[in-house]
Amino acid sequence: EVQLVESGGGLVQPGGSLRLSCAASAFTFSSYSMNWVRQAPGKGLEWVSYISSGGGTIYYADSVKGRFTISRDNAKNSLYLQMNSLRAEDTAVYYCVRQYGSFDFWGQGTLVTVSS
Amino acid sequence: DIVLTQSPGTLSLSPGERATLSCRASQTISSNYLAWYQQKPGQAPRLLISGASSRATGIPDRFSGSGSGTDFTLTISRLEPEDFAVYYCQQYSSSPRTFGQGTKVDLK
Repeated sequence: EVQLVESGGGLVQPGGSLRLSCAASAFTFSSYSMNWVRQAPGKGLEWVSYISSGGGTIYYADSVKGRFTISRDNAKNSLYLQMNSLRAEDTAVYYCVRQYGSFDFWGQGTLVTVSS
Repeated sequence: DIVLTQSPGTLSLSPGERATLSCRASQTISSNYLAWYQQKPGQAPRLLISGASSRATGIPDRFSGSGSGTDFTLTISRLEPEDFAVYYCQQYSSSPRTFGQGTKVDLK
């Protein structure tokens, strides 16, 4: 069964940094594009970042461009999101999501809280 | 960016009733690259429909999707208790991938 397990969330002060990880299993990770999608408390879904299967193509939402960096390690079946200069409005559950056209598998998410 | 507008915001229905959810795009979605997701409280979203009308693996046939261009519909033919949730549409025809704001289907 496909599994995506996020980790690395927590409480961080404004201006701080955090690195999220996503461990993938039960599928050929290197064959799939991956995304991070977030959801602020009580709000809807917001796409954050995309990385192609080989890592050569990357996109970011305007709201995080210049502050967040997506990366992957296909040898370790892992996806990452380095988040710098965090703001209160970055507070959300962050989901690791597999892309096969649509977003076909989602992890359970990790909560990031930006607060002093 | 393609803006997706879902209506209604909330749909109050009883089990056994039919639910009709709308998703309207600000511009044409090419190749019908429109998906629907279901999200229950405390859970991650789950893919229901891709390509506007193709059910994902394991999704019951009471869920159906239709539409093309800028107007799309998710229909739940007869609501089961486990169908009360929030539903999101998403376009994946252009970047950035965008989601609608969601429609909540709750118990009347």
